[in-house]
Amino acid sequence: IAGITQAPTSQILAAGRRMTLRCTQDMRHNAMYWYRQDLGLGLRLIHYSNTAGTTGKGEVPDGYSVSRANTDDFPLTLASAVPSQTSVYFCASSAEDTAEQFFGPGTRLTVL
Amino acid sequence: AQKITQTQPGMFVQEKEAVTLDCTYDTSDQSYGLFWYKQPSSGEMIFLIYQGSYDEQNATEGRYSLNFQKARKSANLVISASQLGDSAMYFCPWRALTFGSGTRLQVQP
Repeated sequence: IAGITQAPTSQILAAGRRMTLRCTQDMRHNAMYWYRQDLGLGLRLIHYSNTAGTTGKGEVPDGYSVSRANTDDFPLTLASAVPSQTSVYFCASSAEDTAEQFFGPGTRLTVL
Repeated sequence: AQKITQTQPGMFVQEKEAVTLDCTYDTSDQSYGLFWYKQPSSGEMIFLIYQGSYDEQNATEGRYSLNFQKARKSANLVISASQLGDSAMYFCPWRALTFGSGTRLQVQP
């Protein structure tokens, strides 16, 4: 692994299903983030983690949960997907929240 | 709460000309970092340049420079000698927490 990876690349999901988006970084960054980007718009922060073991809510946290059991992994879970969660999801990491972020390639999620 | 404003939804520039993309921020924090990212149509986010709130001089990275005016709370991106490959969306997040709506730059031949 080099940098930050996300899985899956894309997913089509039935409404009501549970889904976990995976994010892994190998840069030993303290901070990690999840954003969603709706078509033609900017990124909105869903959840973040400043260090392993801690998480915080961003601008649009409802319907999503995260965990940060270790430094490298930061999974995002949709407990019961709804069509309004159709979006592109980006994971990012940085040494700290005032430092440059490194972004994953994104996960394109469609909820039908 | 912090707020980022990018007042130019779309911009056009001729190839080889300079262009300025505006970004203003609203925060009471004294310590922060301002970034500019580029997102081409392929979707990836590409880091361009960074300015810390305590940096005395404006940041420069190749053809990119930041016109940072702390009193006006603005951190405008200047791209010199635009290239066709500069066509993309541009974002100026405050720290890592708040992104603006972006500016779509189109470079014309």
